[in-house]
Amino acid sequence: AQSVAQPEDQVNVAEGNPLTVKCTYSVSGNPYLFWYVQYPNRGLQFLLKYITGDNLVKGSYGFEAEFNKSQTSFHLKKPSALVSDSALYFCAVRDSRRDDKIIFGKGTRLHILP
Amino acid sequence: KAGVTQTPRYLIKTRGQQVTLSCSPISGHRSVSWYQQTPGQGLQFLFEYFSETQRNKGNFPGRFSGRQFSNSRSEMNVSTLELGDSALYLCASSPGLAGAQSYEQYFGPGTRLTVT
Repeated sequence: AQSVAQPEDQVNVAEGNPLTVKCTYSVSGNPYLFWYVQYPNRGLQFLLKYITGDNLVKGSYGFEAEFNKSQTSFHLKKPSALVSDSALYFCAVRDSRRDDKIIFGKGTRLHILP
Repeated sequence: KAGVTQTPRYLIKTRGQQVTLSCSPISGHRSVSWYQQTPGQGLQFLFEYFSETQRNKGNFPGRFSGRQFSNSRSEMNVSTLELGDSALYLCASSPGLAGAQSYEQYFGPGTRLTVT
């Protein structure tokens, strides 16, 4: 069965510093991987996805994520954090071999400290 | 294009009652998925509908049901409400066609259900 884990409930980063939000996954086939962000009192917004090709994927708001097949990871990164990046971030995975549902992680709350 | 809309945005019900939530997907999208979001459990998948057919189902009791209409609008119903059903219910739409592009989901703002 497919699964996704976000090992950190919360990540604190000083403004201007690089940030990383971790995600690991498990699927039987090749993964389709996604990151979503949720701002307070709002629905989820799509940030980026990995389907195939380059392991480094660039997305919205300056975010990027690196797909690492050997470590089954898809960590979200940004070179320089902004206070406005403070939000709840969700990693999600779908097995490419099956017409299956998308599984979401439990989310990581990112706090950017001014 | 208009985004995904969900109605109502807020709802308060008492235990034992039933509730129906509505979702209108982005125009042209044929797939609608429903999720339950709670602080402790994150996003849990309820079900996915595509062209009026349930394509996938999560691990929720039979009290949770849904349907999709020919215009792709979807409803979910929860019968015999329990306190634990209090949550934010999110609807997401996607094109739903075969291929990777179809898996990008667009979420509505959610319906906040409180069961007392």
